[in-house]
Amino acid sequence: DADVTQTPRNRITKTGKRIMLECSQTKGHDRMYWYRQDPGLGLRLIYYSFDVKDINKGEISDGYSVSRQAQAKFSLSLESAIPNQTALYFCATSDLPPYNEQFFGPGTRLTVL
Amino acid sequence: DQQVKQNSPSLSVQEGRISILNCDYTNSMFDYFLWYKKYPAEGPTFLISISSIKDKNEDGRFTVFLNKSAKHLSLHIVPSQPGDSAVYFCAASEGGGADGLTFGKGTHLIIQP
Repeated sequence: DADVTQTPRNRITKTGKRIMLECSQTKGHDRMYWYRQDPGLGLRLIYYSFDVKDINKGEISDGYSVSRQAQAKFSLSLESAIPNQTALYFCATSDLPPYNEQFFGPGTRLTVL
Repeated sequence: DQQVKQNSPSLSVQEGRISILNCDYTNSMFDYFLWYKKYPAEGPTFLISISSIKDKNEDGRFTVFLNKSAKHLSLHIVPSQPGDSAVYFCAASEGGGADGLTFGKGTHLIIQP
């Protein structure tokens, strides 16, 4: 079984709809991250969490919110989706710093019409 | 302003030869650097990393070199194999990776038979 799973893998929705992307991990890591990738660009950090009580904004948090329901679960919500939020979304986890790599899930392809 | 730059969108290398992927950064506070490999429809997979106290790290066919004065790092793959064909992302962080990674746009490596 995969260590970091994301659901759904693909989603098509309409402008204005609320969308939740979910991430679960079995690696036992405290740190979890949400990134977004647009075509021809690298991944950009949306939000990250050090534990269930610690949520931090990343580079591009506007229009997104997150919830850390448990150590193993970290959800990303788009309260009112817009077309320029069409992208690939990746969840990642890491062990305590310093110098520990992040492990990524398979990604969710979101299309907002 | 892009803090991590991969100036070659694509690179074609013959099987068995050396592949050299380059990355430049502008933030002098970066102290941890990573390379990820990404296949289509999958999440990024960690390859190799280096902290700023080192100038070289090697793992099998993969070697990363760090030149702090030039703010430049490179990934060497030798010998290159067909399975190495993928998009390679350079990533960097401050504080040993605590607060998320900053990614370059990626280089698409194509290994020619």
